[in-house]
Amino acid sequence: QKEVEQNSGPLSVPEGAIASLNCTYSDRVSQSFFWYRQYSGKSPELIMSIYSNGDKEDGRFTAQLNKASQYVSLLIRDSQPSDSATYLCAVGLEGTGNQFYFGTGTSLTVIP
Amino acid sequence: KAGVTQTPRYLIKTRGQQVTLSCSPISGHRSVSWYQQTPGQGLQFLFEYFSETQRNKGNFPGRFSGRQFSNSRSEMNVSTLELGDSALYLCASSLVPHNEQFFGPGTRLTVL
Repeated sequence: QKEVEQNSGPLSVPEGAIASLNCTYSDRVSQSFFWYRQYSGKSPELIMSIYSNGDKEDGRFTAQLNKASQYVSLLIRDSQPSDSATYLCAVGLEGTGNQFYFGTGTSLTVIP
Repeated sequence: KAGVTQTPRYLIKTRGQQVTLSCSPISGHRSVSWYQQTPGQGLQFLFEYFSETQRNKGNFPGRFSGRQFSNSRSEMNVSTLELGDSALYLCASSLVPHNEQFFGPGTRLTVL
């Protein structure tokens, strides 16, 4: 069974701090990894994609991938109250076309 | 560039009825995937279409079906609705399979 696991939270951080969100996956043929942000009542919004080991930075966001440990994380620097949302980790597997497996999400609250 | 559009945004149906949901992908995107999101199960993959062909199907009963047209627009149909089909149905488009997926606003289906 293909599983993507995230801590459901809630995770609370003060404004300006670094928020760290983690995701582990069980399938070793996983080849693509994505982070989505979902505000309450809205649809998921793509934040980052990462395909190879290491770090990928985009503005205040950094995605980190470690395939050997089957682990992907998202760091949000200088967290803002507008970052308060649920963050979904998604994994694409080799040979499954465009089927993404999603974690249940981590709820983040940034406290002003 | 316009995003993914879905119609209708809200639907209320009764058990036993059928429903058709529509999705127009981002211009130039040829791959369309459908997901069901519920509080209990999270985001679950329904099926994926590319070049009018269903490439992959999730673990849903045959009451759930879909199709894609030559202009990449897609529809999904749910027949003989059950109470448990109440959910947010999300359509996501990507340029090609294995690429980043961008979600539409979703269709909120309520089955009474």
